[in-house]
Amino acid sequence: GDSVTQMEGPVTLSEEAFLTINCTYTATGYPSLFWYVQYPGEGLQLLLKATKADDKGSNKGFEATYRKETTSFHLEKGSVQVSDSAVYFCALGPTGANSKLTFGKGITLSVRP
Amino acid sequence: KAGVTQTPRYLIKTRGQQVTLSCSPISGHRSVSWYQQTPGQGLQFLFEYFSETQRNKGNFPGRFSGRQFSNSRSEMNVSTLELGDSALYLCASSLNPGANVLTFGAGSRLTVL
Repeated sequence: GDSVTQMEGPVTLSEEAFLTINCTYTATGYPSLFWYVQYPGEGLQLLLKATKADDKGSNKGFEATYRKETTSFHLEKGSVQVSDSAVYFCALGPTGANSKLTFGKGITLSVRP
Repeated sequence: KAGVTQTPRYLIKTRGQQVTLSCSPISGHRSVSWYQQTPGQGLQFLFEYFSETQRNKGNFPGRFSGRQFSNSRSEMNVSTLELGDSALYLCASSLNPGANVLTFGAGSRLTVL
């Protein structure tokens, strides 16, 4: 079945450091790929998405490229801020006529001033 | 416009009790999905409703049920609560099933004692 694998966490960085969070997936067909972010005490917010191979999603300085050949969707940001501290989830789907998302386990990012 | 509204935000129950959680989707959104978030299992899909019909169901026991009303509002119910049901329950809405973007609510945090 469909699955998403995220790198193990947590990750702690200093402000202005470069961020990479790895995400790989297994899926039948050609699902859309997403990064969601969860701030403390809140629900999930869509950070960015890509709907087909080679698409690049971007938002708030974050970027991720849909790599079909490596089945990856790694999240990057050139210079993180303290306000980026949150839990980041990679997800795939939906496929077909349903809205089900398959999530990775999430990774906690802490950014130090 | 108003986002996805979940009530209650926090609740405490004891083993054996039942609980009902409510979700009001974004106006105009007709598909509602539910997810369970726990530290151990991460985010797991519970079910999806559209036009008052369950379209998709995750791998949860029959104690977990839901419904959707004609105004698209949805409720989920968990009967005979177990300690392991302690979780954040997230609701997400989308225009239609298979829509590419889900908008999540802030969640209902259930603690079972």
